[in-house]
Amino acid sequence: DAGVTQSPTHLIKTRGQQVTLRCSPKSGHDTVSWYQQALGQGPQFIFQYYEEEERQRGNFPDRFSGHQFPNYSSELNVNALLLGDSALYLCASALTGMNEQFFGPGTRLTVL
Amino acid sequence: GESVGLHLPTLSVQEGDNSIINCAYSNSASDYFIWYKQESGKGPQFIIDIRSNMDKRQGQRVTVLLNKTVKHLSLQIAATQPGDSAVYFCAENKGTDKLIFGTGTRLQVFP
Repeated sequence: DAGVTQSPTHLIKTRGQQVTLRCSPKSGHDTVSWYQQALGQGPQFIFQYYEEEERQRGNFPDRFSGHQFPNYSSELNVNALLLGDSALYLCASALTGMNEQFFGPGTRLTVL
Repeated sequence: GESVGLHLPTLSVQEGDNSIINCAYSNSASDYFIWYKQESGKGPQFIIDIRSNMDKRQGQRVTVLLNKTVKHLSLQIAATQPGDSAVYFCAENKGTDKLIFGTGTRLQVFP
């Protein structure tokens, strides 16, 4: 049983560019959450998707957007990249109603 | 505001000793607390959780204690092993599946 997978593992972009990160949830999970983890910090909640809709959102600007597909996989899009967007982006999946969230290995984004 | 903080950024212990990692939280409305372990280059890994109506829960070599009076959470690791070296995060969940993480404590195990 594959766990949560994310792609790509590493990505380098320049300021002003746009990026798309991808996540496949653990088999059987229908809820996907995205977190941003700056170096030396704990993960910060970006948003959560369920039934292809954004269910709740953290304190992130509209430059951060997402999507969930019918197969429950998800994308995180960031527009107009800033240097401060450099971080590890984590995807977590869960089965609705269950508390435990399973995290993927993350995508390391570097903005130059 | 909401916050989950940690008292110690780094904890060094000798192999075989017990480790205690502490965490303070500020949101008394949280009903679920979790400890995660994050190794270098990996995502957080679930260790153990506890509901707000409990004050203690035990797992394999780990115990979580919750003191709601002082809003304090701790993770105890028995007989710490080199493989326990990692960053440990406490997180709280208010029932909305939005996890609020603290900064983390780095656990270093030396022989």
